[in-house]
This record gives sequence, C-alpha cells and structure tokens, in this order.
Amino acid sequence: DTEVTQTPKHLVMGMTNKKSLKCEQHMGHRAMYWYKQKAKKPPELMFVYSYEKLSINESVPSRFSPECPNSSLLNLHLHALQPEDSALYLCASSQDGTGTAKLFFGSGTQLSVL
Amino acid sequence: AQRVTQPEKLLSVFKGAPVELKCNYSYSGSPELFWYVQYSRQRLQLLLRHISRESIKGFTADLNKGETSFHLKKPFAQEEDSAMYYCALKGYGQNFVFGPGTRLSVLP
Repeated sequence: DTEVTQTPKHLVMGMTNKKSLKCEQHMGHRAMYWYKQKAKKPPELMFVYSYEKLSINESVPSRFSPECPNSSLLNLHLHALQPEDSALYLCASSQDGTGTAKLFFGSGTQLSVL
Repeated sequence: AQRVTQPEKLLSVFKGAPVELKCNYSYSGSPELFWYVQYSRQRLQLLLRHISRESIKGFTADLNKGETSFHLKKPFAQEEDSAMYYCALKGYGQNFVFGPGTRLSVLP
C-alpha cells in the first residue's frame, strides 16, 4: 500500500460545528503532515508529527487541533471555524524525520465553512 | 528563514519546444530541493529531487548553489506535461516549504 488516504473527501460545516479530518498511511512512514491549500495557491504547512510527537506547529489557530493516535493515523479536529478556513486540507507522510525524504500526499479534504 | 520563489505563474509553450521552469530559494543551510507536480484531478506528487540527480519523464533539474536556483528543464515539451509545478525546499527538521507554483500549459 503506497497511498495516503484522507476522509472525508468533502466536508461542509457551520461555524459552530465540531468535525474531524482523518488521514491514514500504511507505508511505515514516521513523519506525517497537515497542509492547507487555498485555490490557486501552494500548500502551506500547518503541523508536522514525527514519531507520533508534534514537532512543528506553524502558528496555527487553536480552532485546529491535530492528533496522532499512532504511527499510521493523523487527525485534524476542527471547532468554531471561520469561513476563511475554507480550503483543501492535505495530509502527507514521509519516511522519517531525518535524511532525504519525499512527501506522499493524500488527495485532500475539500472543506467549506458556512 | 527559508523561502522559495517561482517568478512565473503561467508558462505556455508549444509541443516540442524546450521548457524551463524557474525556481530560486533562500536558505542559510544546505538545502534539499524538490519539484512536485499536480496534474489535473490528481494528487500532488514528487517529480524529482536534487539529491538523486535523476531524470524523470525527460525533466532534469540542477542545483546551483551560487545562484541559489533549481530550475526545471525539459528539451521537448509534451502535451501531457501540462500541469501545476511546485518547487519545494526541505529545511530544518521536516519543514517542507513550497513555492507559489507555475502552471505549465503545453499547446498542440
């Protein structure tokens, strides 16, 4: 299995809702990432987990809460989002946090906040 | 700070013409540079990385530390090369930073 799987593919939520995005990989990768991508813009790094520990938080608002339950799973919990948070949320993984590594991306969750 | 710039938002070439997508970076350490590609309705995927010095789908890229550049080149463009291309830099830790992207359009 050489894929990163993200669910759901599409999500519409209100500003008072609580929802979660899920990401899964079974390649034995030990680094996992959340990126946010607005239309016609590059992916922007949000969080990095390395060996199941949060290693990078790019000053993301607390309404986004990441979680890494185990080495194969990565969640992004959403609460009280704003309409400007509407974007494509990409999950990625890489082999580990040292040495040269390439990112494997999921197909993303298209999030719309109403 | 690490930063990647791609000066062209859109690049249009005719089929069979050479193509060069420009990428410049700023980083105080030894960078690892990558090119990622996103074809229509497909996920973002790695095209090539400087450390491998490989040619993928006819594309090559050379890291020029003096000019802090990592331009992507192909001698003869094909229509199937039309896509969004992102230059990326891996800096400290696992911090991958992407450039703004260049949309390549190969015309028949």
